[in-house]
Amino acid sequence: EDKVVQSPLSLVVHEGDTVTLNCSYEVTNFRSLLWYKQEKKAPTFLFMLTSSGIEKKSGRLSSILDKKELFSILNITATQTGDSAIYLCAVGRFRIIQGAQKLVFGQGTRLTINP
Amino acid sequence: NAGVTQTPKFQVLKTGQSMTLQCAQDMNHNSMYWYRQDPGMGLRLIYYSASEGTTDKGEVPNGYNVSRLNKREFSLRLESAAPSQTSVYFCASSLRGGGEGTEAFFGQGTRLTVV
Repeated sequence: EDKVVQSPLSLVVHEGDTVTLNCSYEVTNFRSLLWYKQEKKAPTFLFMLTSSGIEKKSGRLSSILDKKELFSILNITATQTGDSAIYLCAVGRFRIIQGAQKLVFGQGTRLTINP
Repeated sequence: NAGVTQTPKFQVLKTGQSMTLQCAQDMNHNSMYWYRQDPGMGLRLIYYSASEGTTDKGEVPNGYNVSRLNKREFSLRLESAAPSQTSVYFCASSLRGGGEGTEAFFGQGTRLTVV
């Protein structure tokens, strides 16, 4: 059974701290790993990773994938209160017959940044 | 750009009632998805449509039906609502099933309560 596990489930830090969120997976026909940020409503896309060892970066956020050890991390440096959200990790499986990528989501990490 | 639009935003149903959740995207995406989100369980795929004219079951399809009306629209129907279907429902779309452009874009969600 496909499985995506995120840790920690909840994290509270002070503004300015650096945080690392973890995502491990066991998925057949792995195609990609995606990170989303969910504040009040819809998840918004952050990164998609398909190759090991290549860091993706956007401002204070960065992420890297290890396909050998089957995990990814999301780093946020110099955190701000606006970073408070649920961070979701999802793994895409490639289905050869229909070509649709089904995303399997982890439970999410609830990150709270205190001023 | 509207992106992915879901209606309604909120709904309360009595057990046994039926309803249809509507979803439309204006990004010319091929694939569309319906997820439900429950506390502590991340997002779970109900049904998806790889392209116009095709639909397939996800992880939790029981109690639901879908229709891919055209390329833009993908509806989710609850024929006889049950309290276990109380959840937040998200519609999503992606350009295609693999490689770049696979990231899914989400609607704002429908909060459904079945009493």
